[in-house]
Amino acid sequence: GAGVSQSPRYKVAKRGQDVALRCDPISGHVSLFWYQQALGQGPEFLTYFQNEAQLDKSGLPSDRFFAERPEGSVSTLKIQRTQQEDSAVYLCASSLAGQDQPQHFGDGTRLSIL
Amino acid sequence: GQNIDQPTEMTATEGAIVQINCTYQTSGFNGLFWYQQHAGEAPTFLSYNVLDGLEEKGRFSSFLSRSKGYSYLLLKELQMKDSASYLCAVGDSNYQLIWGAGTKLIIKP
Repeated sequence: GAGVSQSPRYKVAKRGQDVALRCDPISGHVSLFWYQQALGQGPEFLTYFQNEAQLDKSGLPSDRFFAERPEGSVSTLKIQRTQQEDSAVYLCASSLAGQDQPQHFGDGTRLSIL
Repeated sequence: GQNIDQPTEMTATEGAIVQINCTYQTSGFNGLFWYQQHAGEAPTFLSYNVLDGLEEKGRFSSFLSRSKGYSYLLLKELQMKDSASYLCAVGDSNYQLIWGAGTKLIIKP
């Protein structure tokens, strides 16, 4: 399809392991966002890219979280030395440029840290 | 601080009408979005309001009053498939969306 694609859909890791989550946005979408969503809550902003530039990473919880979008398309969210509190659904969204443009979400990656 | 308030849960009957309210206090305002999210799925865009008034889109309508910091989503002719969480999000300065926790809507036959 032509929507936002995220992989893996589910990820289980042991505490202390590193994980990498992938997001393939809608073709032509300039803006890309990463969110963390806990059960029963709205998405919490993590970071934002415009093309390949990471314009805001103020929502990343710690320096264990790192995101990149080297060619302005696919993005990867990496979490190092995972901890149990990292367990959540990680959502990626993309949009055309402009504040009035809706964000289109992927189905998310459900991360469980044991 | 910035805050989005919406009821945690609402229940309605199939075929009826329901109104989901959202109040907000944000440092800037660049439009208000409503999203629908079924359990285990991605949020999907429903509506966008930036000017005061009512925007109608089929069975769904969204209203905005900027002076009151208030919006509502109106769902008519409810169907069982409308059971989902409805998320209100406000565009803050620049590009960031401030999200409410969502309203879980339960539709009963």
